Amino acid sequence: QSALTQPPSASGSPGQSVTISCTGTSSDVGNYNYVSWYQQHPGKAPKLMIYEVYKRPSGVPDRFSGSKSGNTASLTVSGLQAEDEADYYCSSYAGSNTLVFGGGTKLTVL
Amino acid sequence: EVQLLESGGGLVQPGGSLRLSCAASGFTFSSYAVTWVRQAPGKGLEWVSGISTVGVGTYYADSVKGRFTISRDNSKNTLFLQMNSLRAEDSAVYYCAKDYFESSPYPFYFDNWGRGTLVTVSS
Repeated sequence: QSALTQPPSASGSPGQSVTISCTGTSSDVGNYNYVSWYQQHPGKAPKLMIYEVYKRPSGVPDRFSGSKSGNTASLTVSGLQAEDEADYYCSSYAGSNTLVFGGGTKLTVL
Repeated sequence: EVQLLESGGGLVQPGGSLRLSCAASGFTFSSYAVTWVRQAPGKGLEWVSGISTVGVGTYYADSVKGRFTISRDNSKNTLFLQMNSLRAEDSAVYYCAKDYFESSPYPFYFDNWGRGTLVTVSS
């Protein structure tokens, strides 16, 4: 159950787009479409932003989108806004009834 | 409104035990799988354990298997985590979270989280 690999930081200016990657293996991201993304603001609980690779829960802006290619999932935030500044975590089912999270990416809106 | 309220955290010596509770309200607790996720101070999220709707299926991360036991009491809308043989590396905020899908066989996604309870393992 090794953590998924995310870049520690990402940044973009308001209005721009930024993509955060999440690299796993053929045992987790590459083998299942049970990939999700969470947003966490400082001192707050995480918020589900994307599930099943690309689906958005109701209430999540369509500026957030997800995708997957091979062992790597990605979260793209378009039209960056100040409130998007937060930590983002990916998660994947890893087989044998286990889940694994990524190490997290701190998104800075310049 | 869905609410999850964790309790039971605190300071414990290495090798000690704690029992965390998570009181749920605002939804049909027995219809959802639930899970525990922890976050060490300044660190990332780590999945700890999950349990199916009626408690038949219980799931654990390798890091806690054999030391932690997850359970639930659907009559009291409460989730538990019994933590034994605690280690310094178990120190974290422990969140309980509800599965996104009703009656899912396994908690894959978490749409509601509690505020967490802090566990500190130190002598």
